[in-house]
Amino acid sequence: EAQVTQNPRYLITVTGKKLTVTCSQNMNHEYMSWYRQDPGLGLRQIYYSMNVEVTDKGDVPEGYKVSRKEKRNFPLILESPSPNQTSLYFCASSLRLGGSYEQYFGPGTRLTVT
Amino acid sequence: DAKTTQPPSMDCAEGRAANLPCNHSTISGNEYVYWYRQIHSQGPQYIIHGLKNNETNEMASLIITEDRKSSTLILPHATLRDTAVYYCIVRYGNNRLAFGKGNQVVVIP
Repeated sequence: EAQVTQNPRYLITVTGKKLTVTCSQNMNHEYMSWYRQDPGLGLRQIYYSMNVEVTDKGDVPEGYKVSRKEKRNFPLILESPSPNQTSLYFCASSLRLGGSYEQYFGPGTRLTVT
Repeated sequence: DAKTTQPPSMDCAEGRAANLPCNHSTISGNEYVYWYRQIHSQGPQYIIHGLKNNETNEMASLIITEDRKSSTLILPHATLRDTAVYYCIVRYGNNRLAFGKGNQVVVIP
């Protein structure tokens, strides 16, 4: 089944403890992206990647890192999480960059930083 | 990306067609109209997209006016599982999807 998977689905952590949220897709998509969703602010893009080893900042990249060493994986790294990074995170992928290519989303990771 | 306007909420009857409007009066010629929905806090689900022509797939139909300033998403036979927030998005080549507040659709038995 074609899908985007994320792990973990739920995570509670403390301020400053490094964490990684994994994202994987099995559709051979070139483009992958991370979003966060907060009440009243909608979904906002954090980082995106157009292909292996090609990443760029989205609208809210501060406090996050990403890497794209393999086409299928696009982990989101929080080196020193803070409470304002408590949010619902979604990974998405599409075949390639372009307005005609739909994006498919993962199930989400709910992160709480205390 | 061009801005879209949707009603904040609407109800529709189970088994009937649900017509979800969207205004995008500032859309430019190469911008696509996309529809997604989000059920509770699940990942947004792609529904359909189009550029100029009307489109239909197994989930819905998309009707775009000739001047492209508005569109309508049609769910042909609404079910209770179609209750969700529906997002109308206009986008160009930049893959960033600008989700607004969406339209909270409630399907009523």
